[in-house]
Amino acid sequence: DAGVIQSPRHEVTEMGQEVTLRCKPISGHDYLFWYRQTMMRGLELLIYFNNNVPIDDSGMPEDRFSAKMPNASFSTLKIQPSEPRDSAVYFCASSSPGRGVNEQFFGPGTRLTVL
Amino acid sequence: AQSVAQPEDQVNVAEGNPLTVKCTYSVSGNPYLFWYVQYPNRGLQFLLKYITGDNLVKGSYGFEAEFNKSQTSFHLKKPSALVSDSALYFCAPYDYKLSFGAGTTVTVRA
Repeated sequence: DAGVIQSPRHEVTEMGQEVTLRCKPISGHDYLFWYRQTMMRGLELLIYFNNNVPIDDSGMPEDRFSAKMPNASFSTLKIQPSEPRDSAVYFCASSSPGRGVNEQFFGPGTRLTVL
Repeated sequence: AQSVAQPEDQVNVAEGNPLTVKCTYSVSGNPYLFWYVQYPNRGLQFLLKYITGDNLVKGSYGFEAEFNKSQTSFHLKKPSALVSDSALYFCAPYDYKLSFGAGTTVTVRA
């Protein structure tokens, strides 16, 4: 398996622009997680899905952030409009705890820079 | 509620010396605990987990962790550290989601 795939790997944009981050989870995994990592705040869970349904979005910082999972093999995290404080590394992870307590597999991340 | 604490922001050891990264937990019910490692400019990688059973858990890259219920700890250990073990280490409780803290930065000097 190719693992969790994220695109783009790097994104540089200007304040006010819309940014869309993409994630393809490992096939067969029914949980998908979006995290944000910054030096100041560490690794934060933004939202997670189970069977394509958002379960907990309490970590989404504000209405500018939205996430969707239209099918089992694809998810997006959108920021509109983007701000410089959104600059961070965004990770997607997937897991399949249906058979027990299983680890999450992380993608390589998307490094977002908002100028 | 599930939470962990990693009391040390940084750990510095010499190559070949034992490495310990501390983690204490506060969970309700049975604790499910994970250790992850993040190498520079990479995503997190799973090291090991405790669910139940043996208190000594063996994981990847020669790491192990000891679950201690009386001390509510789950310290990560490696008998002989390598320079390549230099990374950011996270202890995390599991409740269908993982709650990561700031982690502990490990630096192994040659």
